Amino acid sequence: DADVTQTPRNRITKTGKRIMLECSQTKGHDRMYWYRQDPGLGLRLIYYSFDVKDINKGEISDGYSVSRQAQAKFSLSLESAIPNQTALYFCATSDFKAGGSDEQFFGPGTRLTVL
Amino acid sequence: GQNIDQPTEMTATEGAIVQINCTYQTSGFNGLFWYQQHAGEAPTFLSYNVLDGLEEKGRFSSFLSRSKGYSYLLLKELQMKDSASYLCAVVSGGYNKLIFGAGTRLAVHP
Repeated sequence: DADVTQTPRNRITKTGKRIMLECSQTKGHDRMYWYRQDPGLGLRLIYYSFDVKDINKGEISDGYSVSRQAQAKFSLSLESAIPNQTALYFCATSDFKAGGSDEQFFGPGTRLTVL
Repeated sequence: GQNIDQPTEMTATEGAIVQINCTYQTSGFNGLFWYQQHAGEAPTFLSYNVLDGLEEKGRFSSFLSRSKGYSYLLLKELQMKDSASYLCAVVSGGYNKLIFGAGTRLAVHP
């Protein structure tokens, strides 16, 4: 079974609709992240959370919100989707240990298309 | 500002060696990752450097020079399955956030 799962894997929606992307992990990691990936731009951080009560904005948080419902679940919402939010979205987790690398483990991605 | 540069595309021949360079200018440095990403799939971890020098792991090696803001990923004995994008990412800031380069798309030809 995958350690980091994302639902849905693909979604097509219309401008103005509310969309929620969900991420679950069985790795027991405290840290969770949401990224979007666009061709030629690499991965950009939207939001990150270091525990259930900690939510932080990333590089491109405008138009997005998140909810950390439990240690294992981190959801990304688009309150009113617009076409330039069409992208590949990745959830990631990490488990920081002093002296360690804080390597991030990525989910399989959600391909979102906003028409 | 934060800037990470890597070549957009590279091509190489099966069995050969290829070096993918990454230069960075970031406010703070706590390490550098290389990830591999096949088209439409999740990035997967290849290597991590925090001190200067070479880290070797099988066919893959990664080098870091912090004074020069420079890293490279070396892939030996290239195989067709190595055709993928290679992402350089710098760990920066008090929260150890990852800042990604745009990635280098490597095509391996027979």
